[in-house]
Amino acid sequence: GQNIDQPTEMTATEGAIVQINCTYQTSGFNGLFWYQQHAGEAPTFLSYNVLDGLEEKGRFSSFLSRSKGYSYLLLKELQMKDSASYLCAVVDSNYQLIWGAGTKLIIKP
Amino acid sequence: IAGITQAPTSQILAAGRRMTLRCTQDMRHNAMYWYRQDLGLGLRLIHYSNTAGTTGKGEVPDGYSVSRANTDDFPLTLASAVPSQTSVYFCASSESAGEAQLFFGEGSRLTVL
Repeated sequence: GQNIDQPTEMTATEGAIVQINCTYQTSGFNGLFWYQQHAGEAPTFLSYNVLDGLEEKGRFSSFLSRSKGYSYLLLKELQMKDSASYLCAVVDSNYQLIWGAGTKLIIKP
Repeated sequence: IAGITQAPTSQILAAGRRMTLRCTQDMRHNAMYWYRQDLGLGLRLIHYSNTAGTTGKGEVPDGYSVSRANTDDFPLTLASAVPSQTSVYFCASSESAGEAQLFFGEGSRLTVL
């Protein structure tokens, strides 16, 4: 079967750095997305990786290793507004999105 | 403002009743999706449409139906609601199926009693 694993919950301190990991086992691979979802709101797009390596976008970076079936989202200079759930999703060989259950990130002052 | 609109935002429904959740997008996206989101389970695909006039079944299609008569609209119908369909429903669209990023509506919170 297809599977996406993410930690259920993480806690970090304002101003610090946090890394949210995502491992996947899917039938084929055509890209990986990270979405942010604040409580009670819709998911919003953060990043897309299809090639190995690090993609940097401001305070957020996303890394992909296709050979290891692994990605991480790195958040720097954490702010209270970064408290949200972070969803990892993989595009499989049929171009269907397979979603992880999400990681709830709690930021403490 | 361009985007994707869902209605209603919240609804309480008696079991056995018929309910249609509406979804409209004005971005001229080809692909549209309906997801349900339940605590601890993440997003699960109910139905999708890769282009106007076509629809397909997702991971959890039972008890739901959709139609895609035109590019903009993608309604989701519960023919006879059951309590297990209590969930938050998200409509989403993308320029094309699979690879493109998704744009989500604000969600419809449905409670079936």
